[in-house]
Amino acid sequence: QVQLAESGGGVVRPGRSLRLSCAASGFSFREYAMYWVRQAPGKGLEWVALTSYDGSQKYYAGSVKGRFSISRDNSKNTLYLQMNSLTFEDTAVYFCAFWSVYPIDHWGHGTLVTVSS
Amino acid sequence: EIVLTQSPATLSLFVGERVTLSCRASQNIDSHLVWYRQKPGQAPSLLVYDASNRATGTPARFSGSGSGTDFTLTISRLEPEDFAVYYCQQRFTWPPTFGGGTKVEIK
Repeated sequence: QVQLAESGGGVVRPGRSLRLSCAASGFSFREYAMYWVRQAPGKGLEWVALTSYDGSQKYYAGSVKGRFSISRDNSKNTLYLQMNSLTFEDTAVYFCAFWSVYPIDHWGHGTLVTVSS
Repeated sequence: EIVLTQSPATLSLFVGERVTLSCRASQNIDSHLVWYRQKPGQAPSLLVYDASNRATGTPARFSGSGSGTDFTLTISRLEPEDFAVYYCQQRFTWPPTFGGGTKVEIK
């Protein structure tokens, strides 16, 4: 059974850093591109970052480029999101997810990041 | 990146009504579009893939159509569990952008 379990969320002050993790199980993690998607309170879905299956390609949303860094450890089946210089606008639930040719489409339950002074 | 525009932003409807949601892409994405339904406090759940194919478990009252730049999701008769937010997402190219969502609320 596929499982994606995000962790690392919490309350953090503006300008500080946080690292999210997503532990994957039940599938061949090293074969899939992985995504971080966030959702601010009461707002829509926003893709944040993605990494290719081997980590060689990475893309970032303009709103986080230069501040966030996505990485993966295929030996540990874990995806990461290093978030630096956090702002109030980064407050959101962060989901890790992956999808491919149907029927592959899986999301974690999300972890809440609250940036507050 | 490809921009997806969903309309309307909000719909207020009764149980049993028919509803059509729209998603327009800023450039051609062939049929590489999916629809999600998201209920409060939950992750999105896949409804339709490749624009018109129902995912396993998606009730037959849901149907997707379109290709190129214009897509629709139709719910033939709204059930109570359908009052939620619906998102389209394109998978034609990276990054995999989302539409802004359409909220279907009970009237």
